[in-house]
Amino acid sequence: EAGVTQSPTHLIKTRGQQATLRCSPISGHTSVYWYQQALGLGLQFLLWYDEGEERNRGNFPPRFSGRQFPNYSSELNVNALELEDSALYLCASSLEAGHLGYGYTFGSGTRLTVV
Amino acid sequence: GEDVEQSLFLSVREGDSSVINCTYTDSSSTYLYWYKQEPGAGLQLLTYIFSNMDMKQDQRLTVLLNKKDKHLSLRIADTQTGDSAIYFCAVDRGSTLGRLYFGRGTQLTVWP
Repeated sequence: EAGVTQSPTHLIKTRGQQATLRCSPISGHTSVYWYQQALGLGLQFLLWYDEGEERNRGNFPPRFSGRQFPNYSSELNVNALELEDSALYLCASSLEAGHLGYGYTFGSGTRLTVV
Repeated sequence: GEDVEQSLFLSVREGDSSVINCTYTDSSSTYLYWYKQEPGAGLQLLTYIFSNMDMKQDQRLTVLLNKKDKHLSLRIADTQTGDSAIYFCAVDRGSTLGRLYFGRGTQLTVWP
């Protein structure tokens, strides 16, 4: 069974540009979560999508947005990039909405560097 | 303060036991998790404990939960160099909104 896949692995962007990160959940998983792992700050919750709808959003500005497609894959968009957006962006999926004890299954992440 | 706190570093000798500690603030947490992150990789779920349990054992891993003190620990028996990684504690705070609250992670270094 394929795990959670994220693309690209690495992304280098210039300040002010837009970045698009992609995530494919495990087959059968309907919920997708996005987290930002910035150096020294641990994991910060960004977004949760389930069945195509945004269910919850973390404390991030509106320039962080995303969507979930009918096949449950998801996209995270970051507009007007700032240097402090440089981080590892992790996508996770779960079988049911929320996590219910199974926990998330994480992808390997996209390393975004803003220069 | 932080929702979930962990010490940042732990060093042990190969073959010894490792104990990674975590404290949390919200007593309504239902599930409490331990994740492992190796260099360049995402997070791997190691184990979890339900809030009505005090202890859970899974091979070399033992999780202890003290609900009164809001303290969670992960013990790794016979620690190996391959156990060197960052270990994250995460709790749900009783949330149904799909969000987990993570500690900053404990860097475990195992010396041969």
